[in-house]
Amino acid sequence: DTGVSQDPRHKITKRGQNVTFRCDPISEHNRLYWYRQTLGQGPEFLTYFQNEAQLEKSRLLSDRFSAERPKGSFSTLEIQRTEQGDSAMYLCASIPSGGISEQYFGPGTRLTVT
Amino acid sequence: AQSVTQLGSHVSVSEGALVLLRCNYSSSVPPYLFWYVQYPNQGLQLLLKYTSAATLVKGINGFEAEFKKSETSFHLTKPSAHMSDAAEYFCAVSDLGGQFYFGTGTSLTVIP
Repeated sequence: DTGVSQDPRHKITKRGQNVTFRCDPISEHNRLYWYRQTLGQGPEFLTYFQNEAQLEKSRLLSDRFSAERPKGSFSTLEIQRTEQGDSAMYLCASIPSGGISEQYFGPGTRLTVT
Repeated sequence: AQSVTQLGSHVSVSEGALVLLRCNYSSSVPPYLFWYVQYPNQGLQLLLKYTSAATLVKGINGFEAEFKKSETSFHLTKPSAHMSDAAEYFCAVSDLGGQFYFGTGTSLTVIP
């Protein structure tokens, strides 16, 4: 069990550029979640997947945000035409199937939009 | 919808003193409750969870929490604070649909 990994750990981009983040969940976990966390706040839910199906999206997720999990394994989160307000930590978490379990979090990707 | 309220965004305690971090939830059904800790520039790490078994839950690093349905609370405690406990703490609630809701966090400072 290598844990949840995220890449990159840090990303600095200019306003208007597109960015893509990757999350690799724990291998046997079929649910995968994306969160956004700003300074002094708790994680805010963005979206989650059950295998390759995207089951729910937050209203926070504007049309500039898109997430995929094409083969039910890793997931990507893309932000198009980044804005300074997108600067945040983007967290990924996964849980195994069946029952209620705690989420296992990755280390996060810190995005800075200049 | 579920929600979580953490009273006190900042808590300071002396080393060796009792730690008490407050969490209240709103839920129309029996919830699943969690406490996570976050160190700077890291992801969240589970401290403990309540999933309708024993109401007093013991976690890692000497932390424990008590589920009180009548008070809709799940406060986190530790008898004696250590310098390494300084971090951000988040309470979270989960519903049967697999959605998780987090509080705004409490920053714990331990004074030597």
